Formats: sequence, structure tokens, C-alpha cells
Amino acid sequence: DAMVIQNPRYQVTQFGKPVTLSCSQTLNHNVMYWYQQKSSQAPKLLFHYYDKDFNNEADTPDNFQSRRPNTSFCFLDIRSPGLGDAAMYLCATSRDQTGMSYEQYFGPGTRLTVT
Amino acid sequence: AQRVTQPEKLLSVFKGAPVELKCNYSYSGSPELFWYVQYSRQRLQLLLRHISRESIKGFTADLNKGETSFHLKKPFAQEEDSAMYYCALRSAGGFKTIFGAGTRLFVKA
Repeated sequence: DAMVIQNPRYQVTQFGKPVTLSCSQTLNHNVMYWYQQKSSQAPKLLFHYYDKDFNNEADTPDNFQSRRPNTSFCFLDIRSPGLGDAAMYLCATSRDQTGMSYEQYFGPGTRLTVT
Repeated sequence: AQRVTQPEKLLSVFKGAPVELKCNYSYSGSPELFWYVQYSRQRLQLLLRHISRESIKGFTADLNKGETSFHLKKPFAQEEDSAMYYCALRSAGGFKTIFGAGTRLFVKA
């Protein structure tokens, strides 16, 4: 009954080699989020989609991009991974409406290693 | 600046003892406060939110706007409460959630 699925669970990429992480959901939620969590730190929001509207956080590096081709899927693209991008990447969803917020459902995360 | 502070990285208590996980926040508007929990090998999940004013698994949290705190409390800790706990803040009606760095609770037998 997995609701938010992330693939792969572990990803190893080389310095500078583009990598894509994927997230899918079976909840039909309209909002999808990507967080970066480095060791012993808080999850940090990179961006979110409200339906098809993309909302980038001001401090998210340009190296990070996202795509949401449909309600169920969302992708995180790292164009040129650096060693500092090694982290756990969490996908989350919620069924928010304007003015009302609901809990976020998280995926298990993808641990990215950059060699 | 919006900020969530969890001053304790690790909290260790004995089974049956009371537990309080501290959370302080900095926010100029009307925030919504949450506690999320991550048990071993499980995903991050919502434990409770302040507007619900409910007790979940024996845990409660009261929003104190004067002290800008949202401490999580349980009168009698159980071993199964051992987990990572994150306090989180969200602007009312907004989408961005700011998480604290988390407190690892270890309940000893």
C-alpha cells in the first residue's frame, strides 16, 4: 500500500554527471515537494509543485531542476552534481487547497552519493 | 527569519519516565506547528499538529505563542517511542514547511 514511492532508494553518480531521481504517488495529491536532507540536518525544501505550478525556493541552486509531467509523477534533476549534493532526497505530497494546509506524506527517500 | 530550533540532538529516558522534546520557533505571522516522527527504517510521518489539539500515541503538544514554543510531551515513555522527532513550522495557508534538525529519543528499558 505504498503511497509515495521513490526510485531508486540508493543512487551513486559521478561528479558532474547528470542524475534524475523519481517520485510517484498513488494519493492523487495536488502538491508535491522535494526536500534535501544532509546528515544530521533538517530536511530543507528545494521546491514544490502546486498542480502544474512550479515554486522554487529562493536559495535552491540552479543546478537543481524539477519536472512534473502529470499528477502522479515528479522528478528531481541534478544537472551537474557536486560532492556537496550528496544527501538524502525526500519527496512528499499533500492535498492542500489555498488557505488550508494538510499533512505531508513522505516517501522513503533516495540517498544520493557523489563520487 | 523563519526558524525552528530543537535544542537537543539526543534525549535518553527510561521507560515509564516523562519525556519532553523541546521546540522553539521564530516566525512573524500565524504559524502552523507540527511534529513529525521517523521510526527506524520507516518514512517520516506526521505525529500531530497544533490545530488538531489531539493526543496521538500519548503525545501532546501545546502551542505557546508567548514563548514561541511547541514542546512535545508524554507522561510515560515507552520503548516503542524511540525514534527521530522533527518539529516543523508552516505559514498558515502556505506551502513551505521549515523543519528543525530533529531530536533522537531513546527510551531505555
